[in-house]
Amino acid sequence: SQTIHQWPATLVQPVGSPLSLECTVEGTSNPNLYWYRQAAGRGLQLLFYSVGIGQISSEVPQNLSASRPQDRQFILSSKKLLLSDSGFYLCAWSVLPGVNQPQHFGDGTRLSIL
Amino acid sequence: AQSVTQPDIHITVSEGASLELRCNYSYGATPYLFWYVQSPGQGLQLLLKYFSGDTLVQGIKGFEAEFKRSQSSFNLRKPSVHWSDAAEYFCAVGAADTGNQFYFGTGTSLTVIP
Repeated sequence: SQTIHQWPATLVQPVGSPLSLECTVEGTSNPNLYWYRQAAGRGLQLLFYSVGIGQISSEVPQNLSASRPQDRQFILSSKKLLLSDSGFYLCAWSVLPGVNQPQHFGDGTRLSIL
Repeated sequence: AQSVTQPDIHITVSEGASLELRCNYSYGATPYLFWYVQSPGQGLQLLLKYFSGDTLVQGIKGFEAEFKRSQSSFNLRKPSVHWSDAAEYFCAVGAADTGNQFYFGTGTSLTVIP
């Protein structure tokens, strides 16, 4: 069966520090991968999605970036974190692209910026 | 633009009572509709989905949802709530012209009292 892993589960970083969150999927090939941010009371905001290695689409302009160095690996990065980057970050995957495909979520990373 | 509205931010029900969580969407054509549940500090788990066909769909954990095109609604129901159902519930909509983007509601927090 397919599984998705995110780490770390929690992270506390100072303003201006770099960020790297990792997500990996097991048990499937060529998944579509997504990064979301969840702010309290505001639902989920899609940040990036990827349909293949090296293919990244950004939905929201910000100081975050994403990369997909391997088929089942998706990384969320920042060179300099802002206070507004605090939140709960979720990685998700789907079998195929398109909005008729349910997305399956990891357990998330709680990011606190000090 | 597509949008998803969950009008109830928070709902409290007694254990054993019935539950209905509301979801309204804004989209011209037939959307793809999903309900997810999120336990505290966890990722989102798919409860059920509607693509076409029978407008009453069954999901996991005893949940069901009914698609009503005339009301642009996709309400989630459960006949008898268990204490373990306490969580955050999210409705999501995907539409053919949104590419890979889902639109999530802001969520409804469910408290179950004994």
